[in-house]
Amino acid sequence: KQEVTQIPAALSVPEGENLVLNCSFTDSAIYNLQWFRQDPGKGLTSLLLIQSSQREQTSGRLNASLDKSSGRSTLYIAASQPGDSATYLCAVKTPDNFNKFYFGSGTKLNVKP
Amino acid sequence: NAGVTQTPKFRVLKTGQSMTLLCAQDMNHEYMYWYRQDPGMGLRLIHYSVGEGTTAKGEVPDGYNVSRLKKQNFLLGLESAAPSQTSVYFCAIGAGLDTQYFGPGTRLTVL
Repeated sequence: KQEVTQIPAALSVPEGENLVLNCSFTDSAIYNLQWFRQDPGKGLTSLLLIQSSQREQTSGRLNASLDKSSGRSTLYIAASQPGDSATYLCAVKTPDNFNKFYFGSGTKLNVKP
Repeated sequence: NAGVTQTPKFRVLKTGQSMTLLCAQDMNHEYMYWYRQDPGMGLRLIHYSVGEGTTAKGEVPDGYNVSRLKKQNFLLGLESAAPSQTSVYFCAIGAGLDTQYFGPGTRLTVL
């Protein structure tokens, strides 16, 4: 069974710092990997989607990388801002069931002004 | 969360009571999903539907039933609520096999 782990569970950084969030998965046979943002009391918003054949995706200050062979993905946030404070979740899909996401438990990020 | 609405937003039930959560979409997507989110466990898939009139079990289906009688609505039912079903429930929709769009969630407490 695919297991997704995110470390650390919480992270607090000063504004302006570049930071990296980590996601690891146990089965390298993935279909895609997605990073989501969740604000308190809200649903999830998709940030970046990486297909299994891709190595990275970028959107603004966000860059997500994927290393299937090692079962790792990182989300890089450049020049962090207080508005980036949220919980970030990664999720993978596997070819055996394209409808099922395996979610990590998230990293709660606090960017201090 | 544009395009996906969930009703109700909050609910408190007593053990053994029943209720139905409604997910409605206005994006005409084929795929609809119900997840639960518990502290420290991420989101887990309860049931999903790949089109009107179809449903399938996810990772944690026990104690829940679903129906997709209309394409735009996906109902999640609890026939006899248990304290273990205290959670935040999210509905999601998708046009294909890639991204999903999530609703704002329903916070359910079972006493």
